[in-house]
Amino acid sequence: QSALPQPASVSGSPGQSITISCTGTSSDVGSYNLVSWYQQHPNKAPKLVIFEVTKRPSGVSNRFSGSKSGNTASLTISGLQAEDEADYYCCSYATTYYVFGTGTKVTVL
Amino acid sequence: QVQLVESGGGLVRPGGSLRLSCAASGFTLSDYYMNWIRQAPGKGLEWVSYISISGTTISYADSVKGRFTISRDNAENSLYLQMNSLRAEDTAVYYCARDLTVSGSPTIDYWGQGTLVTVSS
Repeated sequence: QSALPQPASVSGSPGQSITISCTGTSSDVGSYNLVSWYQQHPNKAPKLVIFEVTKRPSGVSNRFSGSKSGNTASLTISGLQAEDEADYYCCSYATTYYVFGTGTKVTVL
Repeated sequence: QVQLVESGGGLVRPGGSLRLSCAASGFTLSDYYMNWIRQAPGKGLEWVSYISISGTTISYADSVKGRFTISRDNAENSLYLQMNSLRAEDTAVYYCARDLTVSGSPTIDYWGQGTLVTVSS
């Protein structure tokens, strides 16, 4: 049940695209198409932005997209906006538990 | 709209106990699995526990196994977390969160605003 490694920080200028990686194992990310991503602004509850690797909940901007290759999942934010500045966490289902990523702080320059 | 409101947090001494509650509204609790997830100050998210609709399937993180007990009362639209033998490392904001497992897609979708538990002497 170790946390999934993510880069500690990623930054980009408004309008640019950034990608956050989430490295799992064959027991979690690699075994299931059940990776989700959460956005968390300071002192707020996490918000679901991607589920089942690539799907967006209703109301989430299409600037958010997800993908997976082998044991690594990725979140891409295109057309970066000031409001995207937040912490982002991946999460994978792993049969009897969930495991979260270590979290990535996204800074909009 | 979906609303989850946690309560019961506070300051407790090491070795003490606390019971957290989560009141659900805007959806039918008995249609969903539920989770507890925590976040230590300035740290990342850590899944703690989940419970099935009937309460017959329960799972815990290794870090709390044997000390924490999750339960639910569907008639009262409430989720609970009994925390015993508390340690300093249990200090965190505790979130209750809805789970879509029953739909065939294990995903945590909605989260409450959290309740802070501080374990300190």
